[in-house]
Amino acid sequence: GQQVIQIPQYQHVQEGEDFTTYCNSSTTLSNIQWYKQRPGGHPVFLIQLVKSGEVKKQKRLTFQFGEAKKNSSLHITATQTTDVGTYFCAVRSNFGNEKLTFGTGTRLTIIP
Amino acid sequence: DTAVSQTPKYLVTQMGNDKSIKCEQNLGHDTMYWYKQDSKKFLKIMFSYNNKELIINETVPNRFSPKSPDKAHLNLHINSLELGDSAVYFCASSQGLDRNYEQYFGPGTRLTVT
Repeated sequence: GQQVIQIPQYQHVQEGEDFTTYCNSSTTLSNIQWYKQRPGGHPVFLIQLVKSGEVKKQKRLTFQFGEAKKNSSLHITATQTTDVGTYFCAVRSNFGNEKLTFGTGTRLTIIP
Repeated sequence: DTAVSQTPKYLVTQMGNDKSIKCEQNLGHDTMYWYKQDSKKFLKIMFSYNNKELIINETVPNRFSPKSPDKAHLNLHINSLELGDSAVYFCASSQGLDRNYEQYFGPGTRLTVT
């Protein structure tokens, strides 16, 4: 089955520092979605990337899709305590399978 | 208004019991899902229904049986509960099967089997 690995698994940063999580797939992807899950909460959709090399920004968050459409990154500039949570990428392969496979997640904690 | 709702929010039960979790969405979506999230936060799809029809049935023990009485509801019944079934179960929905639709998750049901 499709494997989607996110690194790092955990990240602790001081408030104000930057944070990046990477999502790597073993297969070429059709598109990639990013979700955020606050502690005790449920996953909430953030954004979708479709095109090779695509870059999208949401305030302090920057999302990038790799040129080969096998990896993606989420970068947060100047983290705030509200950024705490687990960030998941979710992918679909290019082979027509409609199943959304979630990455292993990166858990971000912020030290005030 | 709650978009995707689940009941109950918490469920504590003993091994061997049978239990059900209910899910409803008021978004008018065609597709609904059940996910299991274990203690390590891994999120795995279990089932997917589109317009009441089973689309995805992952490798899940047949003690788990989903039911979709209409496209706004997807319930999950679990027979003969085991310790390893302890997890958070999320219901989700999407507008349809198109790969570009995002998924909307319910608040989750934390199941503890003792």
